[in-house]
Amino acid sequence: QKEVEQNSGPLSVPEGAIASLNCTYSDRGSQSFFWYRQYSGKSPELIMSIYSNGDKEDGRFTAQLNKASQYVSLLIRDSQPSDSATYLCAGYGGATNKLIFGTGTLLAVQP
Amino acid sequence: NAGVTQTPKFQVLKTGQSMTLQCAQDMNHNSMYWYRQDPGMGLRLIYYSASEGTTDKGEVPNGYNVSRLNKREFSLRLESAAPSQTSVYFCASSELGRVPEAFFGQGTRLTVV
Repeated sequence: QKEVEQNSGPLSVPEGAIASLNCTYSDRGSQSFFWYRQYSGKSPELIMSIYSNGDKEDGRFTAQLNKASQYVSLLIRDSQPSDSATYLCAGYGGATNKLIFGTGTLLAVQP
Repeated sequence: NAGVTQTPKFQVLKTGQSMTLQCAQDMNHNSMYWYRQDPGMGLRLIYYSASEGTTDKGEVPNGYNVSRLNKREFSLRLESAAPSQTSVYFCASSELGRVPEAFFGQGTRLTVV
């Protein structure tokens, strides 16, 4: 079992809708979590980081962390075709103190 | 400001050949990482260096060695390349701390034939 798990998708949403991306982690000692966006053939780009329980908003993006449920999510409001990419969840800390990624979720925003 | 620079961008090796992937960062970060990315597998950690002078194994270290040459540079060596090492390799760097936001290089696409 991977330390960080994501549904590989694809997740398809219509333009203007809310896209909800989910991630679970197994190491309860993990301290902080990250969402990266990766376009095909490009390197991952950091979108958001979160380390406290609750919500963190940045523009159209909201990251949510629930440490009791070991669950992290990313909401993208008013989804645009340019948001179509693979979204990678990563966790840091805990027993290994390493930055570990999930397998990524492919998001497709339909015009 | 270049950020994280990887060389080469593309490489084709024959089975059994060796090579070193180079990575350098100019953000004065303490931590550096090497990942490989295969279709459907996400990013898998090969080795990382939390700070200058230290290295540690990640999820998939077999067949690789690393050297943290100084604070800026972290190299990945394949001693005897195998077709299973065909992949895209990414180097990343971050600050130490509770929330290590990592920044990635542009990747090296390696094919072993």
